[in-house]
Amino acid sequence: AQSVAQPEDQVNVAEGNPLTVKCTYSVSGNPYLFWYVQYPNRGLQFLLKYITGDNLVKGSYGFEAEFNKSQTSFHLKKPSALVSDSALYFCAVRGPTGGSYIPTFGRGTSLIVHP
Amino acid sequence: DVKVTQSSRYLVKRTGEKVFLECVQDMDHENMFWYRQDPGLGLRLIYFSYDVKMKEKGDIPEGYSVSREKKERFSLILESASTNQTSMYLCASPPPQPNTEAFFGQGTRLTVV
Repeated sequence: AQSVAQPEDQVNVAEGNPLTVKCTYSVSGNPYLFWYVQYPNRGLQFLLKYITGDNLVKGSYGFEAEFNKSQTSFHLKKPSALVSDSALYFCAVRGPTGGSYIPTFGRGTSLIVHP
Repeated sequence: DVKVTQSSRYLVKRTGEKVFLECVQDMDHENMFWYRQDPGLGLRLIYFSYDVKMKEKGDIPEGYSVSREKKERFSLILESASTNQTSMYLCASPPPQPNTEAFFGQGTRLTVV
């Protein structure tokens, strides 16, 4: 069965500093990895995804993520955090075949950016 | 640009009531999912459907049922609401290709009193 782990419930960072939100995964075969963001009392919005190719993928709002196959990780990053980045972030995986196409989500990480 | 719409943003229901949560998508997708979101637990899959009149149990189906009479509409039903079903409910519709992202509704925050 596929799974996603987000080891940090909360990440605190000062505005202007770089941020990292961690994610590790487990899936059979090549993974398709996603990051979503959720603002209070809203649904999830897609940020970026890794399918194949370049290990560094870029997405919306200046976010990027680095895929590391050997460490089975897909950490979300941003060079300079904004207060408006404060939200709940979810990592997700979809597998390549069969029932693994069902998206599996991590528990979420609350990002708090302090002015 | 609306793709997935949930009928209610906020609902307050009484214990024992039968509750219907509606979700409509305009992308002609076969797949539709219902998740429940609770703090510290992330998104947990309740039920999903990959075709009209087809349904499959997810990880936490107890206390819920679903209905998919038309391709665009997927309803989540709480047969007899209980206080432990107070939660945020999210409908999602991912395309069938596994390398594509899911589209989510805005969520329904249900409170059972």
